Amino acid sequence: IAGITQAPTSQILAAGRRMTLRCTQDMRHNAMYWYRQDLGLGLRLIHYSNTAGTTGKGEVPDGYSVSRANTDDFPLTLASAVPSQTSVYFCASRPDTGDNYGYTFGSGTRLTVV
Amino acid sequence: QQQVKQSPQSLIVQKGGISIINCAYENTAFDYFPWYQQFPGKGPALLIAIRPDVSEKKEGRFTISFNKSAKQFSLHIMDSQPGDSATYFCAASKEGNEKLTFGTGTRLTIIP
Repeated sequence: IAGITQAPTSQILAAGRRMTLRCTQDMRHNAMYWYRQDLGLGLRLIHYSNTAGTTGKGEVPDGYSVSRANTDDFPLTLASAVPSQTSVYFCASRPDTGDNYGYTFGSGTRLTVV
Repeated sequence: QQQVKQSPQSLIVQKGGISIINCAYENTAFDYFPWYQQFPGKGPALLIAIRPDVSEKKEGRFTISFNKSAKQFSLHIMDSQPGDSATYFCAASKEGNEKLTFGTGTRLTIIP
């Protein structure tokens, strides 16, 4: 089934630890995104990539880094987790052409930093 | 700065009624306005979208109304059903910069 796979589904992480959230898509979309979802704040963009080899900062990039070595994978790394990074993280991708700019989202990773 | 403001935060509607969720935007360069539907434990999914060259778009029971001069757009769900209970997000983006800016979400509950 075409789509986005995120792993892990959920994680409890000790503050100060390093963590990489994985995201893989099989739709050959060039554009990919990482959002965090917090109650009352909606979805906020962390980082994005318009194509393999390029990345950019979103609205809330501090404490996060990304890489885009190939088209399919877009991992998000927390170098030293803090409790304020407790959130649900969604990876998304977007088709390149057509009138539909609609994103495809993964099912999310629920991260708790303690 | 909240570029896309969404209201209400939560909404309870009786089965068969009309659900209305409103959004307002600030950036006049925005030219694409989608709505996303999210069920618990799932990622958001595109529901319906509109561009500013039309004032209304309808897909089944879902309609987007767009008011360019007021910089507002709204989602109307006709004949609301319990299966419509979900969180709804409006969003906006501009051509050439397709990063979506989302509203804060509306939790919709349809009661029998």
